[in-house]
Amino acid sequence: GAVVSQHPSRVICKSGTSVKIECRSLDFQATTMFWYRQFPKQSLMLMATSNEGSKATYEQGVEKDKFLINHASLTLSTLTVTSAHPEDSSFYICSAISLRPGTENIQYFGAGTRLSVL
Amino acid sequence: AQKVTQAQTEISVVEKEDVTLDCVYETRDTTYYLFWYKQPPSGELVFLIRRNSFDEQNEISGRYSWNFQKSTSSFNFTITASQVVDSAVYFCALSDSSGGYQKVTFGTGTKLQVIP
Repeated sequence: GAVVSQHPSRVICKSGTSVKIECRSLDFQATTMFWYRQFPKQSLMLMATSNEGSKATYEQGVEKDKFLINHASLTLSTLTVTSAHPEDSSFYICSAISLRPGTENIQYFGAGTRLSVL
Repeated sequence: AQKVTQAQTEISVVEKEDVTLDCVYETRDTTYYLFWYKQPPSGELVFLIRRNSFDEQNEISGRYSWNFQKSTSSFNFTITASQVVDSAVYFCALSDSSGGYQKVTFGTGTKLQVIP
């Protein structure tokens, strides 16, 4: 199966600092990656769609300047939470779509990053 | 608009029992995809199955089986002879043309607890 690696798995930071989360597709190329946020006991909320070589598309209500997304290559997308505050504490999950025939439209997920802002 | 409903919030079964997780969806499209994902306590979502709207055949994979019925807009998931390792949150999901067949709408999930 397709493997997506997400780092770090857990991060604790002070309020006001920035945190970068990486999402890598290890054994496939991904022109499209997605970033989700999940609150405890809730479903996944799509934050943005990350497209290689172009600007990310953010969902309504998601602050572009707060959550910076860069998709510089076909295997790497990053999410930077800028000037993090306690309300940004959450579980962030990335996913990637493989270009392999037969796997179209299937999102493969990373293990998630638990962010705690003190 | 697309919508996925998983009415069962939590289910508890005793090991070796069979359990069915319900999923009802809404879409205006005739072409769409349905998915099931498993999220164990570790947090990573694991892809289980994808079904396109033109393939109504039921599928069986080991102890897992899926029943897709377009007439009732349902895509139910059955685990036979459940095991403790099946304990997880299971999400049903849908993609259609509104999201370019890439963006996915997730249901709210069903938490399954298998008691030894």
